[in-house]
Amino acid sequence: QQPVQSPQAVILREGEDAVINCSSSKALYSVHWYRQKHGEAPVFLMILLKGGEQKGHEKISASFNEKKQQSSLYLTASQLSYSGTYFCGTHTLYNFNKFYFGSGTKLNVKP
Amino acid sequence: DAGVIQSPRHEVTEMGQEVTLRCKPISGHDYLFWYRQTMMRGLELLIYFNNNVPIDDSGMPEDRFSAKMPNASFSTLKIQPSEPRDSAVYFCASRFFRNTGELFFGEGSRLTVL
Repeated sequence: QQPVQSPQAVILREGEDAVINCSSSKALYSVHWYRQKHGEAPVFLMILLKGGEQKGHEKISASFNEKKQQSSLYLTASQLSYSGTYFCGTHTLYNFNKFYFGSGTKLNVKP
Repeated sequence: DAGVIQSPRHEVTEMGQEVTLRCKPISGHDYLFWYRQTMMRGLELLIYFNNNVPIDDSGMPEDRFSAKMPNASFSTLKIQPSEPRDSAVYFCASRFFRNTGELFFGEGSRLTVL
């Protein structure tokens, strides 16, 4: 039930935009996004609870398409501090705590 | 407030030895999770507790792995005997049931089994 993320890796220059996708073969009941910097713990970015929901966090936003069973994370005007690995996660219908993370997308923002 | 605290941060041991990883969740959080992170398998949920009670341990790879939570402020993950394929970063995370599901992760324990 692990969600699939794409792309696996992205290299950007400062100021460029990126989109990270997260999809599942099974129904997504919520989508969480986390960022993990090298050698550190994952840090929560945002959660989308309803299909069609969109959220923003500074210049990082996300959308959730329940019908397509996918979510996208949008990073606009990227900054060096955005570098890290981004994970999406979701859970099963009847267990909000049995949480599955995607394989991650490594983002490298260069000057 | 202090975050989730894990120890040790790094552990190097030899195959066959017992390994004990420790976690102190954020005070007031009633869910505690153990995850394992490797390059090959990513972040895997091993086990989680609610109010100190193990709820789901289906992610524990083998009987060599065990976890306990004797009280609300302490949990252990034990591997006995350890094997080289257990080498990974083990994360503990906690959350409060009323929030929107945000997990607070500890800094992780990097285990190397030689």
